[in-house]
Amino acid sequence: EAGVTQFPSHSVIEKGQTVTLRCDPISGHDNLYWYRRVMGKEIKFLLHFVKESKQDESGMPNNRFLAERTGGTYSTLKVQPAELEDSGVYFCASSQGGGGYTFGSGTRLTVV
Amino acid sequence: EDQVTQSPEALRLQEGESSSLNCSYTVSGLRGLFWYRQDPGKGPEFLFTLYSAGEEKEKERLKATLTKKESFLHITAPKPEDSATYLCAVHTNQAGTALIFGKGTTLSVSS
Repeated sequence: EAGVTQFPSHSVIEKGQTVTLRCDPISGHDNLYWYRRVMGKEIKFLLHFVKESKQDESGMPNNRFLAERTGGTYSTLKVQPAELEDSGVYFCASSQGGGGYTFGSGTRLTVV
Repeated sequence: EDQVTQSPEALRLQEGESSSLNCSYTVSGLRGLFWYRQDPGKGPEFLFTLYSAGEEKEKERLKATLTKKESFLHITAPKPEDSATYLCAVHTNQAGTALIFGKGTTLSVSS
């Protein structure tokens, strides 16, 4: 079974630019989550999709972040315009039913 | 506010030297406590879920236990390949679908 795939693995962009992160969950997993770890801090929840619907987006920091999940399959997280404080590692995870999450390897975003 | 605190931040052990990692939590209502292992450059890898005080789960050299205030991850006779960051996370009534993570304990096991 293929795991959760995220790309790019690394992205370096300038402040004010736009970046789009992509996550391909495990096939058949209805639940898809985005989390973020800022340096020195704990991993924090951003949002949760059930199929193509946003179930919970209480962790999204502001309206510069836009998440979508096309047809209930892959998801994208767009940051526009990027700010320095957006730097960190963005993790995607998926699950089915009450099972434990399976995380991807993350996208390390650096805003300079 | 729901909170998870892990200790110690870092732990160095000799191969075969058993020890425990602590995860204490202050939450509105615990629905589940999760342990993950994270290797450098990788995402967290699921280890255990515990749901109620008194519950225990084991996997190879790892054993997780849960009380009403904290969880322990016991590592028996560790090997160098057990070196990783161990993360604790909780699912609570207040947090909705979110997992609330601690900062983790980085374990180094030398031979």
